[in-house]
Amino acid sequence: GAVVSQHPSWVICKSGTSVKIECRSLDFQATTMFWYRQFPKQSLMLMATSNEGSKATYEQGVEKDKFLINHASLTLSTLTVTSAHPEDSSFYICSAPTPPGQGKTEAFFGQGTRLTVV
Amino acid sequence: LAKTTQPISMDSYEGQEVNITCSHNNIATNDYITWYQQFPSQGPRFIIQGYKTKVTNEVASLFIPADRKSSTLSLPRVSLSDTAVYYCLVGDLMNTGFQKLVFGTGTRLLVSP
Repeated sequence: GAVVSQHPSWVICKSGTSVKIECRSLDFQATTMFWYRQFPKQSLMLMATSNEGSKATYEQGVEKDKFLINHASLTLSTLTVTSAHPEDSSFYICSAPTPPGQGKTEAFFGQGTRLTVV
Repeated sequence: LAKTTQPISMDSYEGQEVNITCSHNNIATNDYITWYQQFPSQGPRFIIQGYKTKVTNEVASLFIPADRKSSTLSLPRVSLSDTAVYYCLVGDLMNTGFQKLVFGTGTRLLVSP
């Protein structure tokens, strides 16, 4: 099946610095990818939709200037957490839709990135 | 996307069958029902998807009544490794927007020895 890979799996950064998280579709092209955030014991919360070649679409309440999304190619989307603060510590997950012609629809998820801001 | 309601948690023992029911009263005609499994510190993993009646694969069965206002995920003979959170989602299969999955609370299943 299709594989989505995230990097890094975990990262610790100092408050005030920026962190970039990569999401790659390894064996298929994804014109759209999605970014989620998950706090402990909570469900996934959709942050934004990443669109190849155009601006990302952010969900209500998500600061676009803080969470920069770049979808530079058909296989790569990046999420940059700018000026990170401890409250940004969370589990970030990306997903990509089923490629066309697969006969079913499911979303493929990356393994997630655990961000800890100290 | 149609809103879903699931039990917050369930407990079971190894070898038992577990049935998790999801309510989706305002499901639309074009909506499909999909279940995902998530282990701690991992991304969700697709389990099963269906539109009506019964669907079965190597890991689970999905039962959908005629009115489609609910669905039941059935896990046969669970093991400790089935301890996870299970999410039920509904959405339009043909619409790319369905891939923009909106997760509900999910059901936290704990399997004990």
